Amino acid sequence: DTEVTQTPKHLVMGMTNKKSLKCEQHMGHRAMYWYKQKAKKPPELMFVYSYEKLSINESVPSRFSPECPNSSLLNLHLHALQPEDSALYLCASTSGGSYNEQFFGPGTRLTVL
Amino acid sequence: AQSVAQPEDQVNVAEGNPLTVKCTYSVSGNPYLFWYVQYPNRGLQFLLKYITGDNLVKGSYGFEAEFNKSQTSFHLKKPSALVSDSALYFCAVRDMWAGGGADGLTFGKGTHLIIQP
Repeated sequence: DTEVTQTPKHLVMGMTNKKSLKCEQHMGHRAMYWYKQKAKKPPELMFVYSYEKLSINESVPSRFSPECPNSSLLNLHLHALQPEDSALYLCASTSGGSYNEQFFGPGTRLTVL
Repeated sequence: AQSVAQPEDQVNVAEGNPLTVKCTYSVSGNPYLFWYVQYPNRGLQFLLKYITGDNLVKGSYGFEAEFNKSQTSFHLKKPSALVSDSALYFCAVRDMWAGGGADGLTFGKGTHLIIQP
């Protein structure tokens, strides 16, 4: 299995809702990532997990809360989001080593009303 | 800080002609450079990377890239373009923060490649 899966594909939520994005990989990768991509812009790094521990948080607002329950799963919990948080949220994983490419999932298209 | 620049928002090429998508980099230390492609409403697909060694790197779908240290460039090329190559292309550089392989990627702004039949 050489893919990263993300659910749901699309999500519409109100500003008071709580929702979660899910990412899964079964490639044995030990580093997993969340990126945010606004329309017509490049992806921007949000969080990095290495060996199930949060290693990088790119000053992301606390309304985004990441979680890594095990080495195959990565969640992003969402609460009290703003309309400007609407974007494509991409998950990626890598086997580690700065020279290894990251494998990206198809993304979750989030719309905040 | 590591950064890459893609000077062209859009590149138009006739099918069958060679294509080049430009990327320049600014890094401290050795650059770890990548090219990704993104089709509409999809995630990113890895094309190729430069870590060390030969300056000409071959990748997926017939793409290759030339690393030029003196010009700090890493241009993506393909000898003969296909209409199906039309997509958004991103150059990226590996960040060097946490180390241990858990570094993220910093992307260029992206270049729309349009291949005309």
